Amino acid sequence: NAGVTQTPKFQVLKTGQSMTLQCAQDMNHEYMSWYRQDPGMGLRLIHYSVGAGITDQGEVPNGYNVSRSTTEDFPLRLLSAAPSQTSVYFCASSPIPSGSRETQYFGPGTRLLVL
Amino acid sequence: AQSVAQPEDQVNVAEGNPLTVKCTYSVSGNPYLFWYVQYPNRGLQFLLKYITGDNLVKGSYGFEAEFNKSQTSFHLKKPSALVSDSALYFCAVISRGGFKTIFGAGTRLFVKA
Repeated sequence: NAGVTQTPKFQVLKTGQSMTLQCAQDMNHEYMSWYRQDPGMGLRLIHYSVGAGITDQGEVPNGYNVSRSTTEDFPLRLLSAAPSQTSVYFCASSPIPSGSRETQYFGPGTRLLVL
Repeated sequence: AQSVAQPEDQVNVAEGNPLTVKCTYSVSGNPYLFWYVQYPNRGLQFLLKYITGDNLVKGSYGFEAEFNKSQTSFHLKKPSALVSDSALYFCAVISRGGFKTIFGAGTRLFVKA
């Protein structure tokens, strides 16, 4: 299994541009999530999904959209990039949607720089 | 508001000495508690978790953590540190029945040879 994969690894955007960060998992996990990591702030949840067709907002959803058309894929869309969205983005998945005693499996991250 | 605190930005220990990385939380109910580790330019990796039962949880790479309900703490420990333990450590908490994990800000562990 490849686990959780993310593309691209690194991206530079200009303010106002849009882009999609890709995330895929091959473990048939129902739960998937997106985090951003900023220095001194740990990881903050952007959006999450408990299954295909079901998404919800996390702690910092503004400026981001998600969709979940398949179990495997959970793309994150930046609608109009802003310098405040410069960050490292991590996608994660776990095997069950409820309660989550389950461990999350993280992708390698996407480093985004918005100029 | 629910929160997780890791009061130390950095912990320095000598190789062979015991280490402790502190975590306290403010989450209602009886949450699930996790520790993850991040090596440079990598994603997070699971170390251990507390679900229920024994307050001392053993995990990967010789790490363990002690759950203290009265102090709402979940400190990470290792009896003898290795240089290879140097990394960024995150405490994380999720409510039972919830879908949103809350992470601490992280503690950088530096083990000196």
